[in-house]
Amino acid sequence: AQSVAQPEDQVNVAEGNPLTVKCTYSVSGNPYLFWYVQYPNRGLQFLLKYITGDNLVKGSYGFEAEFNKSQTSFHLKKPSALVSDSALYFCAVRDTSLGSGTYKYIFGTGTRLKVLA
Amino acid sequence: DTEVTQTPKHLVMGMTNKKSLKCEQHMGHRAMYWYKQKAKKPPELMFVYSYEKLSINESVPSRFSPECPNSSLLNLHLHALQPEDSALYLCASSLPGLAGGQADTQYFGPGTRLTVL
Repeated sequence: AQSVAQPEDQVNVAEGNPLTVKCTYSVSGNPYLFWYVQYPNRGLQFLLKYITGDNLVKGSYGFEAEFNKSQTSFHLKKPSALVSDSALYFCAVRDTSLGSGTYKYIFGTGTRLKVLA
Repeated sequence: DTEVTQTPKHLVMGMTNKKSLKCEQHMGHRAMYWYKQKAKKPPELMFVYSYEKLSINESVPSRFSPECPNSSLLNLHLHALQPEDSALYLCASSLPGLAGGQADTQYFGPGTRLTVL
C-alpha cells in the first residue's frame, strides 16, 4: 500500500531561523510527491512537487524540498522562517497503483508549523 | 488562473434538509474531486470524477450524491445528513496524468464549511 508519514504533529521555530518539516513515503514504483499548506478555514494551497529530475525542488513563498530516494524522504525546508508561514502543512503522494486514468492522492496527517516572533 | 471556486462558503442545515454544494473550475482540468476534512486532520477523499465519469467512490454513504454535469462543474447533493457529517468540504481539480503516469497538481477550492444540526 502507498503511504506518506509526517512524524511531527507540530514544529516550532523562531522567526529568521531555518525550518524543516519532515515527510517520508512508501510507494511502489516512482513516487510523485507534493507539499501543500493550509491556513485556518481555507483550502489547501500547492507549494511544490517532485516528479523526476533534480532532487532539490523549489516552490512557492521561498519553500523548497529535498527528495532523498535512499531515505524515502521528501522534507520541506525554508532558509528563513516568517511568522506568516505558521500554518498546517501536508505532504501527499499520488497513488499510482490504480492504473492510468484514475487519480488518487494520499495525504499525510499534517504538521502544524508555528513560527515564533 | 489556478482558481477553483466553491459555493456556498458556509452552510447550516437540519438533518431533514436537502442542499447542494457547488464547485467550478475553468482551467480545462478533467479530473475533479470531493474531499471531507475534519478540524486539524488531513482531507479524506470521497469521490473522483475523471472526464465527467465517476471513477472513485470511497464507500461514501448514499446521503452524499455527487454529480458532474460538465467538465467545469462538480456538485455534491446532500440529503438526510447526520451531525457527524459537519466538516469542511473541499473540491479540487487536476489535469489527468499522461499515459506514462506523469503526476499532475491538484488545485483546491476554499471549501464549504458545513454544519448539520
